[in-house]
Amino acid sequence: DVKVTQSSRYLVKRTGEKVFLECVQDMDHENMFWYRQDPGLGLRLIYFSYDVKMKEKGDIPEGYSVSREKKERFSLILESASTNQTSMYLCASWTSRYEQYFGPGTRLTVT
Amino acid sequence: QKEVEQDPGPLSVPEGAIVSLNCTYSNSAFQYFMWYRQYSRKGPELLMYTYSSGNKEDGRFTAQVDKSSKYISLFIRDSQPSDSATYLCAMTRDYKLSFGAGTTVTVRA
Repeated sequence: DVKVTQSSRYLVKRTGEKVFLECVQDMDHENMFWYRQDPGLGLRLIYFSYDVKMKEKGDIPEGYSVSREKKERFSLILESASTNQTSMYLCASWTSRYEQYFGPGTRLTVT
Repeated sequence: QKEVEQDPGPLSVPEGAIVSLNCTYSNSAFQYFMWYRQYSRKGPELLMYTYSSGNKEDGRFTAQVDKSSKYISLFIRDSQPSDSATYLCAMTRDYKLSFGAGTTVTVRA
């Protein structure tokens, strides 16, 4: 059974703080993704990685960066958190073109 | 204009009713068409996927794709309270998924 875990379920940070969200998958998947989910907007792709140290921008990369030093771990970094980054953040990994396995999500509030 | 449009609902139906969910899309390059189900405070999980136009059945669920009209549907027969969730349509081209906004469905006992 594929497991994708995220470091925190709920997080509260202050404006301007640097925030790290971590994601770990245990199935040796090459491709990993970070999304944010907002009401009425659905899931929007922030960044994805198709191999260690490889990354590509998604549709909304502004204000975010990522790190993938090991195959199983993909981190999302908010360099200077802002209130408009309050959202649900979802990590996913996949091996096929139609199925992504999602983590439980991190609900981030920036005050 | 979004690539994938989905009516966010919400949709409330009595137990046993047929639930009908729809999405339209604009990019003819999409290759796979999926439906994900997301329970409250959980990540989405894949429910069904299709590749070509036509119908695909899995138990009480039927996924329908009409590529000529750029329209996909999900039908849930004999709906149960356990089907209460948010349903997201999704489509792929290359390695990227594009999601609809999600429709929240409540099945009343």
